[in-house]
Amino acid sequence: DTEVTQTPKHLVMGMTNKKSLKCEQHMGHRAMYWYKQKAKKPPELMFVYSYEKLSINESVPSRFSPECPNSSLLNLHLHALQPEDSALYLCASSQGVSGNTIYFGEGSWLTVV
Amino acid sequence: GQSLEQPSEVTAVEGAIVQINCTYQTSGFYGLSWYQQHDGGAPTFLSYNALDGLEETGRFSSFLSRSDSYGYLLLQELQMKDSASYFCAVRRLDNFNKFYFGSGTKLNVKP
Repeated sequence: DTEVTQTPKHLVMGMTNKKSLKCEQHMGHRAMYWYKQKAKKPPELMFVYSYEKLSINESVPSRFSPECPNSSLLNLHLHALQPEDSALYLCASSQGVSGNTIYFGEGSWLTVV
Repeated sequence: GQSLEQPSEVTAVEGAIVQINCTYQTSGFYGLSWYQQHDGGAPTFLSYNALDGLEETGRFSSFLSRSDSYGYLLLQELQMKDSASYFCAVRRLDNFNKFYFGSGTKLNVKP
């Protein structure tokens, strides 16, 4: 099973709303990622969790708050977003030290109005 | 830092061979990967080069030359379903959890 599942697939939220994106993997991977992707651009790294601890934050604004409840789950909490935050948010996982491949979920399309 | 540059768009016909280049400036990496992304979909893994040389996986091959800071993805016997965006990516040497993606190449396959 090489699947990363994300919910919801589509989300429309107002600038004052609080919402969350969820991600789950059952491959036993110890590294999990959030990427942001705008149209016609490459995925842009936001956060990395390694063994359930936040190891990388690529200077992401605090209106994005990641959480890793356990080794299979990853959340991204959203609050007070701006219209320019509208994008495809991709969750991914990899084996960590020995993994040369990352596996992506289908993504959550976020629109901020 | 890192910079991986790719041509923005390539067009080819069905049955042809196309090469997508990736030139990079990065301080050190484990290897070079290639990912395919169809419109509206997620990136999926295609190929990985840990060492210099050619890796072949079916119709797709990938090449790496660290001395030239250069790699490419070769797609043979093009099919319409190969129309997608292709990204090269590196896994950083200073932090093995950091995967960074190139600028991406949109491949258009025409009948």
